[in-house]
Amino acid sequence: DAMVIQNPRYQVTQFGKPVTLSCSQTLNHNVMYWYQQKSSQAPKLLFHYYDKDFNNEADTPDNFQSRRPNTSFCFLDIRSPGLGDAAMYLCATSRGLAGGSSEQYFGPGTRLTVT
Amino acid sequence: KQEVTQIPAALSVPEGENLVLNCSFTDSAIYNLQWFRQDPGKGLTSLLLIQSSQREQTSGRLNASLDKSSGRSTLYIAASQPGDSATYLCAHRSNTGKLIFGQGTTLQVKP
Repeated sequence: DAMVIQNPRYQVTQFGKPVTLSCSQTLNHNVMYWYQQKSSQAPKLLFHYYDKDFNNEADTPDNFQSRRPNTSFCFLDIRSPGLGDAAMYLCATSRGLAGGSSEQYFGPGTRLTVT
Repeated sequence: KQEVTQIPAALSVPEGENLVLNCSFTDSAIYNLQWFRQDPGKGLTSLLLIQSSQREQTSGRLNASLDKSSGRSTLYIAASQPGDSATYLCAHRSNTGKLIFGQGTTLQVKP
């Protein structure tokens, strides 16, 4: 089945130790997104790629970076995780940004714990 | 500031009841509105997408409506089942392509 896959599902890292979360998709969608969702809060968009075009949200901390080496894969790098970065990280894709093509499909998420 | 509000925050109903979840938004220039389901500790599953030119969408026991003039959307669930228990999130797409989410309504359907 075509889908959005996130690995790992659960990640534990130490305070200040760089960590990378992975997302892959078999939908061949042009747009890939990363969201942060803290407990009992709404998902918050960090950034998205339209093809190779990177779009950062204004309030995304510099500590968060992303890479998209090809259509299928997108990575979230947290350079120096703090305790406040513990959250569920959701990857999503869409065919485009307009009309029905903007419908977003989400992966199962990676729950990050910072010790 | 664009905001999305969902009321109620939590809802508990007996099995078989029809129910309505509410979503209101402040941005009148929305492009579309999407309803999602989220099970505990899991990702989001898209339920329905309503384009700004549409008034409603239906999928099985779910019906979502959109009234742009009043800034409201509702998700109607018919004949609720225990398996419907989850958090339901609405989100609208802004003119920048960003999804603006509400906080969600956590639904519990009791057998």
